[in-house]
Amino acid sequence: AQTVTQSQPEMSVQEAETVTLSCTYDTSENNYYLFWYKQPPSRQMILVIRQEAYKQQNATENRFSVNFQKAAKSFSLKISDSQLGDTAMYFCAFMRGGTSYGKLTFGQGTILTVHP
Amino acid sequence: EAGVAQSPRYKIIEKRQSVAFWCNPISGHATLYWYQQILGQGPKLLIQFQNNGVVDDSQLPKDRFSAERLKGVDSTLKIQPAKLEDSAVYLCASSLWGGKDTQYFGPGTRLTVL
Repeated sequence: AQTVTQSQPEMSVQEAETVTLSCTYDTSENNYYLFWYKQPPSRQMILVIRQEAYKQQNATENRFSVNFQKAAKSFSLKISDSQLGDTAMYFCAFMRGGTSYGKLTFGQGTILTVHP
Repeated sequence: EAGVAQSPRYKIIEKRQSVAFWCNPISGHATLYWYQQILGQGPKLLIQFQNNGVVDDSQLPKDRFSAERLKGVDSTLKIQPAKLEDSAVYLCASSLWGGKDTQYFGPGTRLTVL
């Protein structure tokens, strides 16, 4: 079974600064996907960024980028130029690849607060 | 494009009562998911449908939970009878097909069992 661990229950950052959220995972699979989801206080979960395990290049989406270390089973999220709207719970998630199964295994989440 | 719709948004019931949640996925999405999110934890998949067939229900407590997706569109999740530990937010998500396709989540239904 896969497990996802987020060791930082809460983080805070000043507006316009950079913050990194950590995530580690455990799997025996070689084909998989990793995701970061954002859940603002309104509770609608939104996909932030996705990484395919077979791609060595780290994914980026505007101010969001990941540091994917496959051997270390580490998948951190860097948010640059933090904005007040980034305040949310962030979840790291794992999905097994190669099938139509779409089961996401989530970590416990990290509450990020951006201060003005 | 309309998002995933869920109702009700909030529900309070006594233990041993029954409750049902409704989900309407994004139009054209073949795959629908129900997740349970207990306070302070990440969501946990309960069941995945592809069209009106079940793909994965390995984590669904089948003695009390049931779900259906008639005609491959809307879905209903039922709990009967409810227990205190069922208090959670129930999230519905849909994706175009399955696998790595982006899952779009609804706003959730917050259930409180007293």
